[in-house]
Amino acid sequence: SQQGEEDPQALSIQEGENATMNCSYKTSINNLQWYRQNSGRGLVHLILIRSNEREKHSGRLRVTLDTSKKSSSLLITASRAADTASYFCATKAGKSTFGDGTTLTVKP
Amino acid sequence: DGGITQSPKYLFRKEGQNVTLSCEQNLNHDAMYWYRQDPGQGLRLIYYSQIVNDFQKGDIAEGYSVSREKKESFPLTVTSAQKNPTAFYLCASSIDLLTTQYFGPGTRLTVL
Repeated sequence: SQQGEEDPQALSIQEGENATMNCSYKTSINNLQWYRQNSGRGLVHLILIRSNEREKHSGRLRVTLDTSKKSSSLLITASRAADTASYFCATKAGKSTFGDGTTLTVKP
Repeated sequence: DGGITQSPKYLFRKEGQNVTLSCEQNLNHDAMYWYRQDPGQGLRLIYYSQIVNDFQKGDIAEGYSVSREKKESFPLTVTSAQKNPTAFYLCASSIDLLTTQYFGPGTRLTVL
């Protein structure tokens, strides 16, 4: 079974708007990571949040983690057309860490 | 340049043939992984290796084999036993099993 599951499956917004995607997981974690994948490419690591952290920022990205609800969210502020990609969350590296992702489309 | 490379980018194979996908990293990472990605879907773990000369099956190991004779290299063989091998294959590495994974550019395998 997969550890991370993203929601929604697809998200379409206008440039300049914020995009929020969520991730739920099933078991205890050491950390949670968010990745981005442009079509036909490998994944690029965006941000890692440890289990004892609640929020983390990196540029226009904001990640929150709620271990009591076993969920995380990724917020992309002031989105750009170049943010169009699929976004995945991943928990402990190893078996079954990636969900099916959220496909974000940012319209110019 | 440090990084993780996969070759070839595109690979075509006839049914019944085995094929080997290359994955090399010069990041001095102990852990390496192989994933399969089908269109519109997420990544499924095929095999992973925590350290040289050791590897473990992932969720979809049937029809695949790997070796880890060197720290830098983790080749994946897609055998004729794999019923539906056409997919995008991604290799990754990390310092250990708990840390950030760094991905290669992927190999797109098509069975003709």
